[in-house]
Amino acid sequence: GAVVSQHPSRVICKSGTSVKIECRSLDFQATTMFWYRQFPKQSLMLMATSNEGSKATYEQGVEKDKFLINHASLTLSTLTVTSAHPEDSSFYICSARGGAAGQPQHFGDGTRLSIL
Amino acid sequence: AQTVTQSQPEMSVQEAETVTLSCTYDTSESDYYLFWYKQPPSRQMILVIRQEAYKQQNATENRFSVNFQKAAKSFSLKISDSQLGDAAMYFCAVEIYNQGGKLIFGQGTELSVKP
Repeated sequence: GAVVSQHPSRVICKSGTSVKIECRSLDFQATTMFWYRQFPKQSLMLMATSNEGSKATYEQGVEKDKFLINHASLTLSTLTVTSAHPEDSSFYICSARGGAAGQPQHFGDGTRLSIL
Repeated sequence: AQTVTQSQPEMSVQEAETVTLSCTYDTSESDYYLFWYKQPPSRQMILVIRQEAYKQQNATENRFSVNFQKAAKSFSLKISDSQLGDAAMYFCAVEIYNQGGKLIFGQGTELSVKP
């Protein structure tokens, strides 16, 4: 149980393109989803928290207009990197959690984004 | 602000031996949860073990156990009978109650297992 599917796993695109990443909870309702960015050999950096039906809460320093997050249903959240540039290249990971505080987050397999 | 510190960037263990990964955290809150996650080369984040701060008993999951010292704000992970598949990056994380479920991660410890 508690499977999170993230798609696509790898994206290579040209500078200026917008890229959408999907995160789905397959067998549970995710009241909260999280989006992280991870650089090689580093820890996960939380970008934003999204609750179903609400606007996402972004961490300090994360550009809201650059990284658009939508959490329209209890099983789907999307991250859109708008007008991507090479500095946006990174590994992006989503996680989902349902239920009460203290329940573990369940992670997707991540998306490797490369902007040429 | 809450912080999580993993002071060992890299650790190495012989197959079948025991290794302990350290983690300390800093918070003024009394109600929180602690986690260890494993990230193998595939980069998938896998939950290893979870501990509620209000429980004194240390959590155990098969070969994995924790030594939770609340007063010292320490949450170390012990891996017994290490296996080659245990090689991964290990992250310690804290979730403060009533802060929306956010996890605060440590810097990670890269564990290698020697055959």
